[in-house]
Amino acid sequence: DAGITQSPRHKVTETGTPVTLRCHQTENHRYMYWYRQDPGHGLRLIHYSYGVKDTDKGEVSDGYSVSRSKTEDFLLTLESATSSQTSVYFCAIKETDSGNTIYFGEGSWLTVV
Amino acid sequence: QKEVEQDPGPLSVPEGAIVSLNCTYSNSAFQYFMWYRQYSRKGPELLMYTYSSGNKEDGRFTAQVDKSSKYISLFIRDSQPSDSATYLCAMRVLSGNTGKLIFGQGTTLQVKP
Repeated sequence: DAGITQSPRHKVTETGTPVTLRCHQTENHRYMYWYRQDPGHGLRLIHYSYGVKDTDKGEVSDGYSVSRSKTEDFLLTLESATSSQTSVYFCAIKETDSGNTIYFGEGSWLTVV
Repeated sequence: QKEVEQDPGPLSVPEGAIVSLNCTYSNSAFQYFMWYRQYSRKGPELLMYTYSSGNKEDGRFTAQVDKSSKYISLFIRDSQPSDSATYLCAMRVLSGNTGKLIFGQGTTLQVKP
């Protein structure tokens, strides 16, 4: 258990509405990541953070923004949700004490109708 | 062409069988290789990681890396029904230290009692 909590775990929202997913960690990890998982694509990186207010884009960042105002929280925002953003979203952290390995949260299931 | 290719399966084997899961990759800069196991509706959990070519063993699991062929494998000996899950290979470059992972699409394994 890497001390990662994602919320909400499940959400149904309408097209065009804003949505924010929260990732909370309790172990002061510097690096945090948001991935999405879709059939046929595996896991793909959306955005990542390497410190408070330090973020960068991943391979599928269009339509998403992130913020990290505290070490423990990394927020993913869909400004105007679309059906193509229906997916499972996973937060992850990098644990530097164990070979820089990446550990994942339990996921947030988002459905955009 | 994807940077990491993984046969999605599904793969069905009888209990006790030896299972071989494989990934190929195209980026010779990948130096760090991981296998994750993901149960249905759960987050990926790290099984094994390795930096080097050759074999690494952990109980019933053996990870094999052949950098010259850009090919990695995970072997599961004496497979059990509890091994039924999706197995994801992942890899990254060592430089930069961002920890960004590139995943295969995952292989779904079913072990029948």
